[in-house]
Amino acid sequence: EAQVTQNPRYLITVTGKKLTVTCSQNMNHEYMSWYRQDPGLGLRQIYYSMNVEVTDKGDVPEGYKVSRKEKRNFPLILESPSPNQTSLYFCASSLSGRGRDTQYFGPGTRLTVL
Amino acid sequence: AQSVAQPEDQVNVAEGNPLTVKCTYSVSGNPYLFWYVQYPNRGLQFLLKYITGDNLVKGSYGFEAEFNKSQTSFHLKKPSALVSDSALYFCAVRDTNNFNKFYFGSGTKLNVKP
Repeated sequence: EAQVTQNPRYLITVTGKKLTVTCSQNMNHEYMSWYRQDPGLGLRQIYYSMNVEVTDKGDVPEGYKVSRKEKRNFPLILESPSPNQTSLYFCASSLSGRGRDTQYFGPGTRLTVL
Repeated sequence: AQSVAQPEDQVNVAEGNPLTVKCTYSVSGNPYLFWYVQYPNRGLQFLLKYITGDNLVKGSYGFEAEFNKSQTSFHLKKPSALVSDSALYFCAVRDTNNFNKFYFGSGTKLNVKP
């Protein structure tokens, strides 16, 4: 089944404790992206990747890092989480070029930073 | 800055009645517009997109959207609502200067009552 998976689905952590949220897709998509969803703000793009080893900032990259060492994986790293990073995070993937129009989203990771 | 706005936090409609979920956009150049739906505890699912061509775009689950350039709007519509259409709906636009970036609206909660 074609899908985007994220782990963990739920995470409660404390300020300053490094964490990684994994994202993996099995559709051989070149493009991958991370978003955070906050009430009243919708989804905001954190980082995106056009292909292996090619990443760039979205609208709200502060406090986050990403890497794209393999085509299927695009982990989101919070080196020193803070309470304002408490949010619902979504990973998405799509084909490149015109196919980038249609993004496939993972189920989401709900992160709470105390 | 490029953006989309969803002026209604919530839309209530009776089953069988037509529904409209509103979206307006602000971009430089020709817009690439999308609608996504989010069911509870799920990731977003693609509904439809406008790239160019006919102003009335048909999508999944009987939804359609009308692109209106003069009013800079892209409203989502369905002739006859179902209770199962109850969900959170997001309008989105692709950045016309950087096709890798996307901007989402704040979301509209659609409630369809039996």
